[in-house]
Amino acid sequence: EAGVAQSPRYKIIEKRQSVAFWCNPISGHATLYWYQQILGQGPKLLIQFQNNGVVDDSQLPKDRFSAERLKGVDSTLKIQPAKLEDSAVYLCASSSLLGQAGMNTEAFFGQGTRLTVV
Amino acid sequence: RKEVEQDPGPFNVPEGATVAFNCTYSNSASQSFFWYRQDCRKEPKLLMSVYSSGNEDGRFTAQLNRASQYISLLIRDSKLSDSATYLCVVRGYGNQFYFGTGTSLTVIP
Repeated sequence: EAGVAQSPRYKIIEKRQSVAFWCNPISGHATLYWYQQILGQGPKLLIQFQNNGVVDDSQLPKDRFSAERLKGVDSTLKIQPAKLEDSAVYLCASSSLLGQAGMNTEAFFGQGTRLTVV
Repeated sequence: RKEVEQDPGPFNVPEGATVAFNCTYSNSASQSFFWYRQDCRKEPKLLMSVYSSGNEDGRFTAQLNRASQYISLLIRDSKLSDSATYLCVVRGYGNQFYFGTGTSLTVIP
């Protein structure tokens, strides 16, 4: 079974530039998550999609971050303009819905995109 | 208040030692519980799910106390390869996954 795919793996940009990350979840997973992980901390949820709808974006800095999952499959996360404090690893994860017969309940992660803002 | 709290460590233990990690969660309606392992510069990967009755996988034992909203992980006979960060994870009723800050473990030869 193919895992969660993310690209690019690494990105270096200057502050005030824009950047976009892409994620393709595990086939059949209705829920997709974007997390931000700063060095030494646990992943922080930025946004959660169920199919193509947003379930939770309460911690997404909406003045500069946006995300979409137009067809309910792959997703993009954009930062515009980037700040120095956005330097982090951006992790995409997917999961099946709770109670979905025969499906594991855990979240599966992609390898992440390591963003450095200089 | 954070959804999941865990001691960040670090824990430095000799090979063969037993080490225990604990965490607490704030929402009593939480649905599922996990321990993930994260190696340096890698993504988190599921170590084991945690069930109310307690469960064991080889040298790893996980416990859940719903009344106290407390989760634990016990590693027996520590190996060098166990060195990693261990993340306590709680799945909420709305399918969110909440992560603790992670506990760093280094097993020393």
